Amino acid sequence: EADIYQTPRYLVIGTGKKITLECSQTMGHDKMYWYQQDPGMELHLIHYSYGVNSTEKGDLSSESTVSRIRTEHFPLTLESARPSHTSQYLCASSDNPLEQYFGPGTRLTVT
Amino acid sequence: AQTVTQSQPEMSVQEAETVTLSCTYDTSESDYYLFWYKQPPSRQMILVIRQEAYKQQNATENRFSVNFQKAAKSFSLKISDSQLGDAAMYFCAYRRSRGAQKLVFGQGTRLTINP
Repeated sequence: EADIYQTPRYLVIGTGKKITLECSQTMGHDKMYWYQQDPGMELHLIHYSYGVNSTEKGDLSSESTVSRIRTEHFPLTLESARPSHTSQYLCASSDNPLEQYFGPGTRLTVT
Repeated sequence: AQTVTQSQPEMSVQEAETVTLSCTYDTSESDYYLFWYKQPPSRQMILVIRQEAYKQQNATENRFSVNFQKAAKSFSLKISDSQLGDAAMYFCAYRRSRGAQKLVFGQGTRLTINP
C-alpha cells in the first residue's frame, strides 16, 4: 500500500465545531488532492494542490479550506461543521499523470 | 465538461467465472487517460489498470483487462477467474492529458463474488 496517511479514520462531532482532517504522504509527491465521497457513491474533487503554497478549488463546491505549507502535509479544515458535511473524505497524491495514490479516508459524522 | 457513467450499480459473479464491468465517458479531448480503481470495504482505493487514449492496444494486468473503444467512448473492465478478494466497489475514472491532473469518477459498480 502507498505511504499516504489520514487521521482520524473516524470522527463524530457536534454541529458548529471546528475540525481539521490530516493528510500526510512520505513519497515526496508535489500534487495532492481531497475528494468527498458519500457512501456507495462516486468521488468528487473538492481541493487540489500542485505544490507548496499552491491550492485550488475542485469541481464540487465545498465550505472547507486547505493549506499546503509543507510538501508532505495537506490538511483540510471545516470552520463550523454541519450535518451536511457528513461524508467520507479521501486524500490522494501523485507525481505523474498515470496514477494517484489514495489514503484510507476519514469518515466524518456531524450530529 | 467531462463525464463518466457506470450503468451497473451492482454486479455479481461466481468464483472462477468472468465478469465485465461497463463504463462510458464523454469528452471532446483526443488525448486522455482512463483508469479502473478498486475500493474494497473499509480499505484504501487502489489502481487496477489504466489506459492511455493514444494507445490502440488494450491494457492487461494479469486477470484484469480492458476493452477500450475510443470512437464509442467505452472502457469496460474484464475480470477473469474471479476471486473472493475481487469483491469491492470498482470506479472508472477519466483524466485529461494536459492541464489540471484531476480525476473524474463514475458512480461505481459494487461487485460481489459468490463462492
